[in-house]
Amino acid sequence: DQQVKQNSPSLSVQEGRISILNCDYTNSMFDYFLWYKKYPAEGPTFLISISSIKDKNEDGRFTVFLNKSAKHLSLHIVPSQPGDSAVYFCVALKDEKLTFGTGTRLTIIP
Amino acid sequence: DTGVSQNPRHKITKRGQNVTFRCDPISEHNRLYWYRQTLGQGPEFLTYFQNEAQLEKSRLLSDRFSAERPKGSFSTLEIQRTEQGDSAMYLCASSPRVHEGDEQFFGPGTRLTVL
Repeated sequence: DQQVKQNSPSLSVQEGRISILNCDYTNSMFDYFLWYKKYPAEGPTFLISISSIKDKNEDGRFTVFLNKSAKHLSLHIVPSQPGDSAVYFCVALKDEKLTFGTGTRLTIIP
Repeated sequence: DTGVSQNPRHKITKRGQNVTFRCDPISEHNRLYWYRQTLGQGPEFLTYFQNEAQLEKSRLLSDRFSAERPKGSFSTLEIQRTEQGDSAMYLCASSPRVHEGDEQFFGPGTRLTVL
């Protein structure tokens, strides 16, 4: 069973606009949620995280929102830049194990 | 030391052969993790170590898989009698685990192709 779901396999956004990536989860026991970014031929790299007791965390152009009642989180990137083009994984953490979603390929159009 | 390294980067083998992958974590990271990623999926947890102790293994890790971290530094993942279903990207990650929620730093992965 897929405990972390990313229902949009791909997303295209104009440079300078806001990118919104969505994620749903089923297990309410997760402690942290993270977003990882992955470029081709590289391992995933950490982007931003949020504790399950928070509802928002911001770091520069990146903001993650957590809605626990809906078991939903989202990543906002504003303004979007060409270097943001990558695959983004929504990830949940429990007992040191990361559970990944299937990823969303974000393409920023110049 | 600039990050987690994995060797080899690519491995092609015939079904039934044994293969071994190596992971060198970031120095002084006491946690080391192995994940497997198949096409179209996100990485899936396989196992992890705290120093040299293997603390948890996923049910994905069949009896043909074994992982070691003999001196609490580098780790090896061995697959015996490989099957075509073992074809995947094998990712290693390490973490200092100073605080709960500390990020895991991933290596570039070893891509295994079983013919």
